[in-house]
Amino acid sequence: GAVVSQHPSWVICKSGTSVKIECRSLDFQATTMFWYRQFPKQSLMLMATSNEGSKATYEQGVEKDKFLINHASLTLSTLTVTSAHPEDSSFYICSAPSMDSSYEQYFGPGTRLTVT
Amino acid sequence: GQNIDQPTEMTATEGAIVQINCTYQTSGFNGLFWYQQHAGEAPTFLSYNVLDGLEEKGRFSSFLSRSKGYSYLLLKELQMKDSASYLCAVLDSNYQLIWGAGTKLIIKP
Repeated sequence: GAVVSQHPSWVICKSGTSVKIECRSLDFQATTMFWYRQFPKQSLMLMATSNEGSKATYEQGVEKDKFLINHASLTLSTLTVTSAHPEDSSFYICSAPSMDSSYEQYFGPGTRLTVT
Repeated sequence: GQNIDQPTEMTATEGAIVQINCTYQTSGFNGLFWYQQHAGEAPTFLSYNVLDGLEEKGRFSSFLSRSKGYSYLLLKELQMKDSASYLCAVLDSNYQLIWGAGTKLIIKP
C-alpha cells in the first residue's frame, strides 16, 4: 500500500509557541489530505481537509487562524499549531485518500504534541 | 445528525472468536470501513464493505447490512497482538468519513 509519513513523531513545546507538523505522501501524489486530532480514549476527529493549491476546508469549531494548513505541493501538507496551549496537547494524524475506487485512507504514523 | 455506535470495550480470550458490532445512521452511504488502531499509533486498514454480505480476509471477516444500517467485524483465533481499538467508519454521501468512537478489545490469555 501507499506510504504517508509525518514529522516529527513527537514534540514538546512551551505554551505560546508555534509548532509545525509535516505530512508527506512518499510514493504517490495526494491532491487532498486530511488532518485529524485524537484525544486519549477518543476517536478520530476530522479537523480539516487540505487541498493542494487552494485553501483548506475546516470543520465546524476548528479555528482556522490557530491551525494553519498549507498544501504547497502534491506530496506535502503542513499543519501549524499557532500559539499552542496545554489544551492543544493531542495526537495529530494526517491521511491521504487512495487514488483507486476503494476510498481507503492511508494514515501517517501520527504526531504526539505536548504543550507545557 | 450522523451517528455511529459501537461498544466502548470488549474482552475476549486468546484463541476464541469475537464479534464487534457497529450501527450507523448517516446522510447517504458509500461504504463502511473497519480500522485497527494500537495505542499511540495511527489506524491501519482492515476492510471496506459497500455491498451487503460477508467479506472474509484471513482471520478477520466483515459483514454489512445496508437495510439495517449494521456491520460487524469478526475476529477468529484471537491472538494477544489483536488487543487494540477497532474503529468503524462510514463514507457518507459527500464521501466524507464519519468515525465511530472505537471499540477497545482486550485479549486475555
